[in-house]
Amino acid sequence: GENVEQHPSTLSVQEGDSAVIKCTYSDSASNYFPWYKQELGKRPQLIIDIRSNVGEKKDQRIAVTLNKTAKHFSLHITETQPEDSAVYFCAASTPSGTYKYIFGTGTRLKVLA
Amino acid sequence: DVKVTQSSRYLVKRTGEKVFLECVQDMDHENMFWYRQDPGLGLRLIYFSYDVKMKEKGDIPEGYSVSREKKERFSLILESASTNQTSMYLCASSLSPTVYGYTFGSGTRLTVV
Repeated sequence: GENVEQHPSTLSVQEGDSAVIKCTYSDSASNYFPWYKQELGKRPQLIIDIRSNVGEKKDQRIAVTLNKTAKHFSLHITETQPEDSAVYFCAASTPSGTYKYIFGTGTRLKVLA
Repeated sequence: DVKVTQSSRYLVKRTGEKVFLECVQDMDHENMFWYRQDPGLGLRLIYFSYDVKMKEKGDIPEGYSVSREKKERFSLILESASTNQTSMYLCASSLSPTVYGYTFGSGTRLTVV
């Protein structure tokens, strides 16, 4: 069935360093890939997304890259700050026409001051 | 700002009880979703609805049902609560998931004793 694998499950970085989270999806027909950030005790919030006709998208310190051939997409956070500490979820849309997502299992990012 | 409101933040119920989790959104979205969130398993789709009175099973519908009588309200029903349904339940809505992404509610942490 459809599946999204996400790695690593936990990631610790020093403040100011970069963080990279990687996801792999199984359905080659998936065409939309959002990333959500969930701070402790709060709701997941959309931070960036990418569509299958684009290879890279940036928004200030965050960027997402997509390799359709390999069915990989990655979240890159540069110059990390303590407020980046959160759980990050990747997702892939299912092309069934009903717009549901399959989520990865999440990455807990800790930015050490 | 789109608001997705879940009626209860914390809920404790007894095994065998019928449990209703309510979700209301205020932006006329067609699409609404119920996910459960468990450590290490990410977000798993229980049911979704793309129109009033329409519903589709997600990946883990067993033990659950849903109701969508009005566009703004999507209810998740645990017919006979069991301890393995102890979890965080997240509702989400979207006008167009591959354009705008999801907006999540704050979640209901359900404990079944």
